[in-house]
Amino acid sequence: EAQVTQNPRYLITVTGKKLTVTCSQNMNHEYMSWYRQDPGLGLRQIYYSMNVEVTDKGDVPEGYKVSRKEKRNFPLILESPSPNQTSLYFCASRGTVTYEQYFGPGTRLTVT
Amino acid sequence: RKEVEQDPGPFNVPEGATVAFNCTYSNSASQSFFWYRQDCRKEPKLLMSVYSSGNEDGRFTAQLNRASQYISLLIRDSKLSDSATYLCAVNHGSGYALNFGKGTSLLVTP
Repeated sequence: EAQVTQNPRYLITVTGKKLTVTCSQNMNHEYMSWYRQDPGLGLRQIYYSMNVEVTDKGDVPEGYKVSRKEKRNFPLILESPSPNQTSLYFCASRGTVTYEQYFGPGTRLTVT
Repeated sequence: RKEVEQDPGPFNVPEGATVAFNCTYSNSASQSFFWYRQDCRKEPKLLMSVYSSGNEDGRFTAQLNRASQYISLLIRDSKLSDSATYLCAVNHGSGYALNFGKGTSLLVTP
């Protein structure tokens, strides 16, 4: 089954404790991206990657890092999480033929 | 002006009604357009792409008006299960990014 997976699905952590949210897709998609979704603000892109070793900032990259060492994986790293990073995070992927984008199930992060 | 704008609603409609949403975009170079459906903080799921000639999928019809820079989604014979938030998405036209509207909330009531 074609899918985008994320782990963990739920995470409660404390300020300053480094964490990584994993994202993996099995569709051989070149393009992957991370979004956060907050009430009243909609989906905002954090980072995206057009292929292995090619990443770029989205609209709200501050406080986040990403890496793309393999085509299927695109982890999101929070080096020093802060409470304003409490949010619902979605990973997404798509191929290069169309812009149809497929989302992972989401990771609900709470930083206290 | 925001790049992609939607009326947040909520739209409350009775079962069987026809409802239409619009979404305006600011970048005239935008090339690709989509409607997504999102249930209760779950992941957005692609509902349909929007083609220049308009397209239909069952009870759903999507249209593009390039001159006025908006896309629309028409839902006929609304079902209770159509209750969700509908997001429009537009590519920037200068790369791979999709820009999303904040969504329109639909509640279909018995």
